[in-house]
Amino acid sequence: SAVISQKPSRDICQRGTSLTIQCQVDSQVTMMFWYRQQPGQSLTLIATANQGSEATYESGFVIDKFPISRPNLTFSTLTVSNMSPEDSSIYLCSVGQGFSTDTQYFGPGTRLTVL
Amino acid sequence: AQKVTQAQTEISVVEKEDVTLDCVYETRDTTYYLFWYKQPPSGELVFLIRRNSFDEQNEISGRYSWNFQKSTSSFNFTITASQVVDSAVYFCALSESFGNEKLTFGTGTRLTIIP
Repeated sequence: SAVISQKPSRDICQRGTSLTIQCQVDSQVTMMFWYRQQPGQSLTLIATANQGSEATYESGFVIDKFPISRPNLTFSTLTVSNMSPEDSSIYLCSVGQGFSTDTQYFGPGTRLTVL
Repeated sequence: AQKVTQAQTEISVVEKEDVTLDCVYETRDTTYYLFWYKQPPSGELVFLIRRNSFDEQNEISGRYSWNFQKSTSSFNFTITASQVVDSAVYFCALSESFGNEKLTFGTGTRLTIIP
């Protein structure tokens, strides 16, 4: 399985600011995803990060709030914009090879607290 | 629409007891994939198993075993002779077939093993 790292591992931010989270994989992968896990909750898919094109967002998530970049097959960023305390969550990136027989592996997550 | 239900929110057992975590899913696809992930207190999501809808054989891996029954749309997970290190939140997840790797997660079961 791929080795996935995320930066930062955790952060405490002020309301109204933005934070960019990085996801780096040690090998080329076809698919990269961003999930949010609110405190005590399950994981919810934010978007699929598409290499060379705009991300595909799930219902309830918009590009203005969660802009995503994917410049190559090993790297992606998620920005949480104009943060509010409701954005306090763990943000996880995951990767896969896009085959139906594939398994999705997750990064260690970024714990975000918004004051 | 896909749905995964983990009715057990929290389970506590004494070390060395066996414990079964329940997972019930809903999907209209005939081909789909089921997963179990473990999330220890550190927060990372650890892949445990993937099972496709055509393979109903039960699987055993050490102290872990999985019972997949299409007739009841269930994919239950049993830990035999539980250990303190098994304490974690366990998520069951479902994905569609043919390259759509979006994972739909259940709400998770928090398992506490009491020494």
